[in-house]
Amino acid sequence: QVQLVQSGAEVKKPGSSVKVSCKASGGTFSSYAITWVRQAPGQGLEWMGAFFPIFGTPTYAQKFHGRVTINVDESTSTAYMELGSLKSEDTAVYYCARGTTYSSSWYAAFDLWGQGTMVTVSS
Amino acid sequence: QSVLTQPPSVSGAPGQRVTISCTGISSAGYDVNWFQQVPGTAPKLLIYGDYNRPSGVPDRFSGSKSGTSASLAITGLQPEDEADYYCQSYDPSLNGVFGGGTKLTVL
Repeated sequence: QVQLVQSGAEVKKPGSSVKVSCKASGGTFSSYAITWVRQAPGQGLEWMGAFFPIFGTPTYAQKFHGRVTINVDESTSTAYMELGSLKSEDTAVYYCARGTTYSSSWYAAFDLWGQGTMVTVSS
Repeated sequence: QSVLTQPPSVSGAPGQRVTISCTGISSAGYDVNWFQQVPGTAPKLLIYGDYNRPSGVPDRFSGSKSGTSASLAITGLQPEDEADYYCQSYDPSLNGVFGGGTKLTVL
């Protein structure tokens, strides 16, 4: 059974960067969509960006444009999300999710989620 | 502030039916997905493509969409349904957008 296993908790200084990994244990990311979603303490879910195979390049939410990079190393079945210029407001749990495309379209059903990675930004 | 609007909370007694609305969906008609999240755990996909249930999701959960609004209905409410529920769709840049979430309390 495929699981998404994320890297461990991080504590970062304001202005620095964080890179979170997401390994498809027992599976692959090939031909699947990938998204990264975050959740600040006590808050709702926030879409950061995604990779849909049909587009061939990641798309990023406007709020994070220029600060976030999503990529996939298919040789190790690992996805990465790097967020730069960290601020205290970036303190959150970061989730990766894998999606299966359907209806011969770009849409994906994100049905496999990682366990989440807590990133704390504090001076 | 979320792009999609959901009621902050809904409640119902065991066995009852509840609905959660989601408004502000793009007029382009992008698909709507629904997620269930028990606090402290990762979200779980309940509905994709407006009304499709992934394997393993009980048929007590159903989704619908009309115009710029969508709804999640839960029938035969059970104590384990108590969780936060999020709708998700896309903006014209094809980036995902979430609703603010709805806390379901089973009385």
